Amino acid sequence: RKEVEQDPGPFNVPEGATVAFNCTYSNSASQSFFWYRQDCRKEPKLLMSVYSSGNEDGRFTAQLNRASQYISLLIRDSKLSDSATYLCVVNIKNTGRRALTFGSGTRLQVQP
Amino acid sequence: DGGITQSPKYLFRKEGQNVTLSCEQNLNHDAMYWYRQDPGQGLRLIYYSQIVNDFQKGDIAEGYSVSREKKESFPLTVTSAQKNPTAFYLCASREDIGNSPLHFGNGTRLTVT
Repeated sequence: RKEVEQDPGPFNVPEGATVAFNCTYSNSASQSFFWYRQDCRKEPKLLMSVYSSGNEDGRFTAQLNRASQYISLLIRDSKLSDSATYLCVVNIKNTGRRALTFGSGTRLQVQP
Repeated sequence: DGGITQSPKYLFRKEGQNVTLSCEQNLNHDAMYWYRQDPGQGLRLIYYSQIVNDFQKGDIAEGYSVSREKKESFPLTVTSAQKNPTAFYLCASREDIGNSPLHFGNGTRLTVT
């Protein structure tokens, strides 16, 4: 089982739709979580950190469910410019390797 | 402005040649990382360094080497021993504390023929 798993998609949604992505992680000692956005042939850029209580930034909401070991990203009122790949990132601190682990990404295509 | 600079953006090499990718940061971050990304794939960790003069292998270190002589710099050498070197290489850095996120350079796209 992969340490961090995401549905690869693509998710094809119309403009204005609400879309949700989940990301599951296997190590219960995981301590910090992030969502990154990556446009085609570009570097990933931080979208938001994910806090235990959940957090919101405009149209984007991130949540953490430690009991079920997943994080989620909700995008409301999607725009054409939201089309990208969304990467889930987990920091697992007790492995002796202090590096972040990436999911393979979920591709979103917002259509007019 | 603070940031991470990778150079060059595109690099072409013949098979059998070593090549070094540059990564410089002025964010005063202790930790630096190299990732590789293949088309349609996620990022895989090659090497990382938490402090000057120290570095650790990641998941796919074979065929690569690094050095960390200065805090600001973490160059990656792709050696001729790397069987499939053509890929998108991403350098990143972060403060090595708590919930700090990764900051990425804009990547080097290496093509070996």
